Amino acid sequence: AQTVTQSQPEMSVQEAETVTLSCTYDTSENNYYLFWYKQPPSRQMILVIRQEAYKQQNATENRFSVNFQKAAKSFSLKISDSQLGDTAMYFCAPRSSLGGATNKLIFGTGTLLAVQP
Amino acid sequence: DVKVTQSSRYLVKRTGEKVFLECVQDMDHENMFWYRQDPGLGLRLIYFSYDVKMKEKGDIPEGYSVSREKKERFSLILESASTNQTSMYLCASRGTAGGTDTQYFGPGTRLTVL
Repeated sequence: AQTVTQSQPEMSVQEAETVTLSCTYDTSENNYYLFWYKQPPSRQMILVIRQEAYKQQNATENRFSVNFQKAAKSFSLKISDSQLGDTAMYFCAPRSSLGGATNKLIFGTGTLLAVQP
Repeated sequence: DVKVTQSSRYLVKRTGEKVFLECVQDMDHENMFWYRQDPGLGLRLIYFSYDVKMKEKGDIPEGYSVSREKKERFSLILESASTNQTSMYLCASRGTAGGTDTQYFGPGTRLTVL
């Protein structure tokens, strides 16, 4: 079974600066998928970025990018030019590729990011 | 846009009551999920369903049951609510495109059991 570790329960960053949230996971599979989700205060959880483990190129979505280190089983999220609206709980979530589309996301315990003005 | 809605944002119930949490999605998704979210524990999967009338236990199914009579609706049932079921409950849905298909979440129901 996959396990996920987010070692930073809380982080703080100044507006316009860059911050990196860490995530490590454990899996015996070679191919799988990785996701970062964001949950703003009192708002719905939304997808930030996703990565296929077979792709060597790191995914990028505007100010959000990942540093995927497959051998180290590490999947960190970098937020550039932080904005006040980035304040949220961030969850790392891998998912197996075995068994088809019904596979489950495995969530970490989350990192609460506060962007300071 | 995909929309996942939950019947209540806040709910207060008494110990021993039967509680129904409803979730509806409008994207014809096959897969639907119920999670509970507790501080320091992240999201834990209670039950999921991959088709109408089909269900599978997640990681913490004890004390809960589910119902999926129609594709768009997935209900979580607490047969006899207890104080340790006080939590935030999140519903989610996902299609069967596989791979990196997005899982969409509802706004959550904060349940308090007194």
